[in-house]
Amino acid sequence: KNQVEQSPQSLIILEGKNCTLQCNYTVSPFSNLRWYKQDTGRGPVSLTIMTFSENTKSNGRYTATLDADTKQSSLHITASQLSDSASYICVVSANPRGSTLGRLYFGRGTQLTVWP
Amino acid sequence: EAGVTQFPSHSVIEKGQTVTLRCDPISGHDNLYWYRRVMGKEIKFLLHFVKESKQDESGMPNNRFLAERTGGTYSTLKVQPAELEDSGVYFCASSPHLSLSTDTQYFGPGTRLTVL
Repeated sequence: KNQVEQSPQSLIILEGKNCTLQCNYTVSPFSNLRWYKQDTGRGPVSLTIMTFSENTKSNGRYTATLDADTKQSSLHITASQLSDSASYICVVSANPRGSTLGRLYFGRGTQLTVWP
Repeated sequence: EAGVTQFPSHSVIEKGQTVTLRCDPISGHDNLYWYRRVMGKEIKFLLHFVKESKQDESGMPNNRFLAERTGGTYSTLKVQPAELEDSGVYFCASSPHLSLSTDTQYFGPGTRLTVL
């Protein structure tokens, strides 16, 4: 069964601190993994995308890692800001053999709150 | 460039009534997706249009849900008759290329549907 599990479910940190969010998946065949940020009342916005051969990718203060062997990913946020408060969703794309269709499988997200 | 827009932002209806949700994708995007997030669960795929054709509707929960994309522009998702378990947030997303798995999907803000 294709599943994406995220931890922790919620996290509170102080402004300026770092944090790491975790994602484990069982999606197969694997195509790529994305981290999305969803602000309250808005749709998810893509932060990073990694394919099978990529181990790490950065986007400003966001750094994502991928271990395709253990099927784990992490999102590290450096020097957190108040605006980082949001839900962070791990999304894995499955690419059925012989098809270019990419079905997306979503985690439930980690709700991050940054306090001043 | 305008993003994906959805209407209405909120809808409260009684069980047995009909509701129609609308999605306007980013202009020029051939791919249009519908997703749903039930409270406490992850976002799940409903269906995928390529232009006006249904490419994959395997995520549609039952025949009370009808999606259309006449002319390959905007799309509607009709729920008739609505049931309590249909409550949730319905997201629409669009992407430009033909079903490339690495293509980023751009999400709308969602329509929050409450069935009483």
